[in-house]
Amino acid sequence: DTAVSQTPKYLVTQMGNDKSIKCEQNLGHDTMYWYKQDSKKFLKIMFSYNNKELIINETVPNRFSPKSPDKAHLNLHINSLELGDSAVYFCASSQDAFGATEAFFGQGTRLTVV
Amino acid sequence: QQPVQSPQAVILREGEDAVINCSSSKALYSVHWYRQKHGEAPVFLMILLKGGEQKGHEKISASFNEKKQQSSLYLTASQLSYSGTYFCGTENSGGSNYKLTFGKGTLLTVNP
Repeated sequence: DTAVSQTPKYLVTQMGNDKSIKCEQNLGHDTMYWYKQDSKKFLKIMFSYNNKELIINETVPNRFSPKSPDKAHLNLHINSLELGDSAVYFCASSQDAFGATEAFFGQGTRLTVV
Repeated sequence: QQPVQSPQAVILREGEDAVINCSSSKALYSVHWYRQKHGEAPVFLMILLKGGEQKGHEKISASFNEKKQQSSLYLTASQLSYSGTYFCGTENSGGSNYKLTFGKGTLLTVNP
């Protein structure tokens, strides 16, 4: 029974397209995150939601829009995809938003923009 | 501010020990350690909290020097399964806008 699941696992698309990545956690956690890992393996936080409320919005182009319909789901929609958006996107969740509990990561979505 | 990890890479033989260091230029509320194997998700190893509390695995230990704003991860009697990239993540505020900022990672390779 997967704790944090993302779909799809792989996504290949053309520049200019719009795509979405879905994430669900069945751990009952209050906080969910989106991280981007580039080709150099640098893991950078993009967004964080606590009980469906956006609490962190890093310097991310507004082509990226997260949506949390309930606290178990956090989706990421990307408009007008660019080559530089190619990366692995990880969803994660943790019990609280205070940095004192571990984060569980999904298996990642490898996005390739051609 | 991104924490600095050292070394960038280390190669061990099975049974040897390794230390991975993580330092921050800002005061730390917590330090997290994760291991990522190739093509997989990062997996939690350890949390060290300001004030001395630790949560983590039995076979892996870590230290947290609040004054020096540093943490070290100790891997003893390494096994082949320890291979992977180790990331430290630092959290500076301890508030409700918790943000874990990861270092660039340390690639650990354990050979037979």
